[in-house]
Amino acid sequence: DIQMTQSPASLSASLGETVTIECLASEDIYSNLAWYQQKPGKSPQLLIYDASSLQDGVPSRFSGSESGTQYSLEINSLQSEDAVTYFCQQHHDYPPFTFGSGTKLEIK
Amino acid sequence: EVQLVESGGGLVKPGSSLKLSCVASGFTFSSYGMHWIRQAPKKGLEWIALIYYDSSNKYYADSVKGRFTISRDNSKNTLYLEMNSLRSEDTAMYYCAKGAAFDYWGQGVMVTVSS
Repeated sequence: DIQMTQSPASLSASLGETVTIECLASEDIYSNLAWYQQKPGKSPQLLIYDASSLQDGVPSRFSGSESGTQYSLEINSLQSEDAVTYFCQQHHDYPPFTFGSGTKLEIK
Repeated sequence: EVQLVESGGGLVKPGSSLKLSCVASGFTFSSYGMHWIRQAPKKGLEWIALIYYDSSNKYYADSVKGRFTISRDNSKNTLYLEMNSLRSEDTAMYYCAKGAAFDYWGQGVMVTVSS
């Protein structure tokens, strides 16, 4: 199974800052990676697919990138509504489809 | 507008069975693979099952293989998850999700397994 190691588990940043969340795949997943945002008590919502493509309706301050098996989600100009939980997920090799363990983002 | 609405959850005893449903609208249901994913309280996301658009292939997580069955009725735009031999560790919010990139998710339905 492909393992997705997500870091950090939690992150605190100030409004307007830029933050980066990372996921390391245990093997090549050929950009088959998605990022999701989950607000408390709600279902996850797709932010980024194919590592760097922005889902319709998602603000452009969110972006995705990759370097080898390392995938990153960057949030620019941090806003208060961004202080929720983020997950990565690989869909290259299945079963299983594997998720990262999540990153909880807080505002300082 | 894409909508996925789950139902069928509840409180059951260990060893019991339960069948979840997910009714889809706003897209051509019969053209997309569909997934079930669960999230235990205060925990991360666990993918549990996939069914192809035409039911030709089904895949399961090891944690549910042999106990859970995914199915669909394209004439009713409905996805199902039949859960047997439920255990306490199956307690979670269960979500259905659409397509290869899980681009839409339902609101979830809670399943609690407790004596």
